[in-house]
Amino acid sequence: GESVGLHLPTLSVQEGDNSIINCAYSNSASDYFIWYKQESGKGPQFIIDIRSNMDKRQGQRVTVLLNKTVKHLSLQIAATQPGDSAVYFCAENSGGTSYGKLTFGQGTILTVHP
Amino acid sequence: DTEVTQTPKHLVMGMTNKKSLKCEQHMGHRAMYWYKQKAKKPPELMFVYSYEKLSINESVPSRFSPECPNSSLLNLHLHALQPEDSALYLCASSKAGQGSNEQFFGPGTRLTVL
Repeated sequence: GESVGLHLPTLSVQEGDNSIINCAYSNSASDYFIWYKQESGKGPQFIIDIRSNMDKRQGQRVTVLLNKTVKHLSLQIAATQPGDSAVYFCAENSGGTSYGKLTFGQGTILTVHP
Repeated sequence: DTEVTQTPKHLVMGMTNKKSLKCEQHMGHRAMYWYKQKAKKPPELMFVYSYEKLSINESVPSRFSPECPNSSLLNLHLHALQPEDSALYLCASSKAGQGSNEQFFGPGTRLTVL
């Protein structure tokens, strides 16, 4: 079956650094991608999303880049803060008959040291 | 109101018990979801309701029985569960209709089956 995966399971950075979390996907029909942040004991929290007709989207301190040629997605967090420490999941949806079905990657643990 | 609420927060049940998990949203979303998340793993989709009708069942065992009594509520009825069903159960909601949309997650119910 199709899958979404992450290259690095853990990322440790210093406060103020920029962080980059990567994600590979294999379903070429995927048309919607989303990044979630999950803190311990909480549900996933939306960070940013991007549709397949775009290659970059920016939010507050976050940027998502989509490279459809190599099926790669990344999340960039600027000036990382201790409050950014969490597990980050990418997820994809291929629409069509899979409408509503988000497939999550394995997650990356981000640890920000003060 | 951009919140998905879930009750109870924690639940401990025996293998012969019958219990229910509840989820509520008041964002006017017509798609609602149940996910199961084991420790250190990504959420896995169980069920999708679209316009109060079950649209996706990811081959979930019949000991899990979803119900969508109205557009704001989603229940998950549990009966004769196994210890391996212990997990965090997450509810989510989104806009329904054509295209993929951001799913808003609740905080989850932490279920322990003894």
